[in-house]
Amino acid sequence: KAGVTQTPRYLIKTRGQQVTLSCSPISGHRSVSWYQQTPGQGLQFLFEYFSETQRNKGNFPGRFSGRQFSNSRSEMNVSTLELGDSALYLCASNLEYRGSGGYTFGSGTRLTVV
Amino acid sequence: GEDVEQSLFLSVREGDSSVINCTYTDSSSTYLYWYKQEPGAGLQLLTYIFSNMDMKQDQRLTVLLNKKDKHLSLRIADTQTGDSAIYFCAEGRTGGSYIPTFGRGTSLIVHP
Repeated sequence: KAGVTQTPRYLIKTRGQQVTLSCSPISGHRSVSWYQQTPGQGLQFLFEYFSETQRNKGNFPGRFSGRQFSNSRSEMNVSTLELGDSALYLCASNLEYRGSGGYTFGSGTRLTVV
Repeated sequence: GEDVEQSLFLSVREGDSSVINCTYTDSSSTYLYWYKQEPGAGLQLLTYIFSNMDMKQDQRLTVLLNKKDKHLSLRIADTQTGDSAIYFCAEGRTGGSYIPTFGRGTSLIVHP
């Protein structure tokens, strides 16, 4: 069974640009969460989607947005990129919203803003 | 302070046991998780324990939970060089509007 797939694996963008990251959850999983991982802040929760609805949002500015499609695939978008947005962005899926079995993570998208 | 705390580093010799500790603050936590992250990879769920359990064993892994002290530990028996990674403790609750919280991770270094 395929795992959580994130594309692209690596991205280099310039300050001020925008970027879209994609996540395909495990087949049958309906919940998708996004995290930002940096050496200084650790894992920071961005948002969680379930049944195409955002159920929770972390403490990030409005430049960070996301959506989920009917097939459970999710995208997150960051507009007006800043140097501090450089990070590993991780997507995680779960069978259900706040499922007890824990989250399965993808390998992440490494975003570098120059 | 942080909701989930872990020490940053642990160094052990190959073949020894490793014990990674974690403390959390939310007494409503229902599940406590251990994840492993290898370089360049995402987080891999190793094991989890319900808050009404004291211990869970899974092959070389033993999880101990002291709910009174809000202390969680992960013991890895016969630690191998392949166990070198960052280990994250996380707490969560089912249902409701709740954000799962991860610790900052403990870097386990296994040397020959």
